Amino acid sequence: EAQVTQNPRYLITVTGKKLTVTCSQNMNHEYMSWYRQDPGLGLRQIYYSMNVEVTDKGDVPEGYKVSRKEKRNFPLILESPSPNQTSLYFCASSPAWSEQFFGPGTRLTVL
Amino acid sequence: EDQVTQSPEALRLQEGESSSLNCSYTVSGLRGLFWYRQDPGKGPEFLFTLYSAGEEKEKERLKATLTKKESFLHITAPKPEDSATYLCAVQAVGYGGATNKLIFGTGTLLAVQP
Repeated sequence: EAQVTQNPRYLITVTGKKLTVTCSQNMNHEYMSWYRQDPGLGLRQIYYSMNVEVTDKGDVPEGYKVSRKEKRNFPLILESPSPNQTSLYFCASSPAWSEQFFGPGTRLTVL
Repeated sequence: EDQVTQSPEALRLQEGESSSLNCSYTVSGLRGLFWYRQDPGKGPEFLFTLYSAGEEKEKERLKATLTKKESFLHITAPKPEDSATYLCAVQAVGYGGATNKLIFGTGTLLAVQP
């Protein structure tokens, strides 16, 4: 089944404790993105990647890191999480310049 | 600044009562406009892509249209299972060509009552 998977689905952590949210897609898509979704603000792009080793900032990259060492994986790293990073996170993938396929989401709470 | 605005924020319909959702956009160069459906606790699910003014796409009870400044999602004779948040997003043409940057609106929460 073609899909985007994210892990973990739910995470509660404390300020400053480094964490990684994994994202994997099995559709051989070149493009992958990370979004956060907050009430009243909608979905905002954090980072995107156009191919292996090619990444670029979205609208809200501060406090986040990404890497794309393999085509199928695009992890999101929070080196020192803060409470304002409490949010619902979505990973997405797409063929070139086309509709994006979203993962199921990761709900992160930073205390 | 590129911007996407959706209206209304929320809409309650009776089953069978047709209506339209609006997505207005301001973007320097439009590569594509996307409609997604999002159910509570799930990721957005792709519905349509529109590329040029005058284009229309249909799927079951949904029809999406595009002008140079806005898009409409028409819902004909909706059913309770159409209840969801409908998101609009635009993909802008960036410097040097197209980008994969999507700008989302905040969505319209649709509730269809039996």
